[in-house]
Amino acid sequence: QQQVKQSPQSLIVQKGGISIINCAYENTAFDYFPWYQQFPGKGPALLIAIRPDVSEKKEGRFTISFNKSAKQFSLHIMDSQPGDSATYFCAANPRGNQFYFGTGTSLTVIP
Amino acid sequence: DAGVTQSPTHLIKTRGQQVTLRCSPKSGHDTVSWYQQALGQGPQFIFQYYEEEERQRGNFPDRFSGHQFPNYSSELNVNALLLGDSALYLCASSPPLAFTDTQYFGPGTRLTVL
Repeated sequence: QQQVKQSPQSLIVQKGGISIINCAYENTAFDYFPWYQQFPGKGPALLIAIRPDVSEKKEGRFTISFNKSAKQFSLHIMDSQPGDSATYFCAANPRGNQFYFGTGTSLTVIP
Repeated sequence: DAGVTQSPTHLIKTRGQQVTLRCSPKSGHDTVSWYQQALGQGPQFIFQYYEEEERQRGNFPDRFSGHQFPNYSSELNVNALLLGDSALYLCASSPPLAFTDTQYFGPGTRLTVL
């Protein structure tokens, strides 16, 4: 059973547009929600993360929105650039325990 | 400062063989986790090592085993390889006292089982 459900599977955005990737979870014990970016042939790189005591976190062009009551969180990439083209994974874990990853979203930013 | 390093980069084995993958954590990190990433999927947690002991384990059979050395480096061993073991194997390290909240991944080892 997939602990973290991620959508869409793939996304195509024009340069300068906003990319939005969504994730949902069921386990209320989860209390850390990171997003990872992975380029082909590379390991995942931590982009940004949030804890459920805040509803939004912004770092540069990347923003996480978190809805605790709906058990959903999303990644927004503002002013998307061709260099942002990669696979993005959401993840979640209960403190001190294993991470559960989503199935990934392949983002393509068209120049 | 070197990040997480893994060796080898690629590996080809045949069914039934055994394989050992290696990981050196980021400097200052003492916890190592291993993940299996099948093509087109997210990483799946195999196990985590802390203070040379297996601290947590995911839903993987006993054919998957590991070890952590006093310098915090780690090995992943897989016995009796199956075709389904073909995947990218990722190592992630965490700094002291962070448990699994902050993880930095290595580039992975691509294992192909023929």
